[in-house]
Amino acid sequence: GQNIDQPTEMTATEGAIVQINCTYQTSGFNGLFWYQQHAGEAPTFLSYNVLDGLEEKGRFSSFLSRSKGYSYLLLKELQMKDSASYLCAVSNSNYQLIWGAGTKLIIKP
Amino acid sequence: IAGITQAPTSQILAAGRRMTLRCTQDMRHNAMYWYRQDLGLGLRLIHYSNTAGTTGKGEVPDGYSVSRANTDDFPLTLASAVPSQTSVYFCASSDSIQGGVNVLTFGAGSRLTVL
Repeated sequence: GQNIDQPTEMTATEGAIVQINCTYQTSGFNGLFWYQQHAGEAPTFLSYNVLDGLEEKGRFSSFLSRSKGYSYLLLKELQMKDSASYLCAVSNSNYQLIWGAGTKLIIKP
Repeated sequence: IAGITQAPTSQILAAGRRMTLRCTQDMRHNAMYWYRQDLGLGLRLIHYSNTAGTTGKGEVPDGYSVSRANTDDFPLTLASAVPSQTSVYFCASSDSIQGGVNVLTFGAGSRLTVL
């Protein structure tokens, strides 16, 4: 079967750094996405990785290792507004998106 | 503001009733999707459409139907609602369903409760 695993919930402190991991098993691979979803709102696109390595975008970075079926989202200089759920999704060989259940990130002052 | 509009925002309905969730986009995207989101589960694809006039079944299509008469509109119909269809429904769109970076734009969601 196809599945995406990510931690259910994480807690971090304002100003700190947090790493949210995602492991996947899919039939084929055409890229990995991270989306942010604030409570009661729609998911919004954060990042896309298709090649191994780190993609940096301001305070957010995303890493991919295709051989390990592993990705992480790194959030630096955490702000209260970063409290949200972070969704990992993989595009498989049919370009179908397989979604993880999301990681709820709680930021404490 | 360009984007996706969903209606209604929330709805409570009795089991057995028919319900249509509306979705309209103004970005001229070719592909559109309907997902449901349930606590503890990832987004699950119900139906999708590659382009106007075509539709396809996703992971959990049973009990739902869609139509795509034009580029902008992609309504989702529950012919006879059941309590297990209680969920938050998201409509989404993208430039294409294959190739390239298929970034989805989501609507604000429709919260449906079936009693």
